[in-house]
Amino acid sequence: GDSVTQMEGPVTLSEEAFLTINCTYTATGYPSLFWYVQYPGEGLQLLLKATKADDKGSNKGFEATYRKETTSFHLEKGSVQVSDSAVYFCALSDGGIKAAGNKLTFGGGTRVLVKP
Amino acid sequence: DAGVIQSPRHEVTEMGQEVTLRCKPISGHNSLFWYRQTMMRGLELLIYFNNNVPIDDSGMPEDRFSAKMPNASFSTLKIQPSEPRDSAVYFCASSEQGVKQTQYFGPGTRLLVL
Repeated sequence: GDSVTQMEGPVTLSEEAFLTINCTYTATGYPSLFWYVQYPGEGLQLLLKATKADDKGSNKGFEATYRKETTSFHLEKGSVQVSDSAVYFCALSDGGIKAAGNKLTFGGGTRVLVKP
Repeated sequence: DAGVIQSPRHEVTEMGQEVTLRCKPISGHNSLFWYRQTMMRGLELLIYFNNNVPIDDSGMPEDRFSAKMPNASFSTLKIQPSEPRDSAVYFCASSEQGVKQTQYFGPGTRLLVL
């Protein structure tokens, strides 16, 4: 079945540091890939997404490129801020299988703490 | 536009009591999802609906849990009887129907069963 594996946290960084969160996936169809972010005490929010190979999703300075050859969707940001402290979830929707509909498969989440 | 609305935001109850969580999806969204989040198990999909019909309830932990969607604008998740191990944050999410659609999450209900 589908699965998403992302690096375990917590990841602790200083402000303005470079952030990378690794995410790899397995899927039987042609998935769309997502990064969601969860700020303390809140629900998950879509950060960015990519729907086909080589697409790059970007938002708020974050980027991730859909790499089919390595089945990866790593999240990057060049200069993090304290306000980026949150839990980040990688997810996939296996659009190639109708029965799956738009069900999301999530990774375990990576907690990021940015210190001033 | 209003996002996904959940109520209550916080619930404290005693073991054995019935708990009902409520969700109002975004207007026009045809798919609705219930998730549970705990430190130990992370984010788990409990059940999801398309056009008010349950499609996959394989994540519902046991018979004590039930979910309904009587119409397109309302869903409930009920736990009867509740147990301390049900303590978690429960999220509702909705999306447009169809593959590859983005899910929009509500703020969650934090449940504590004593």
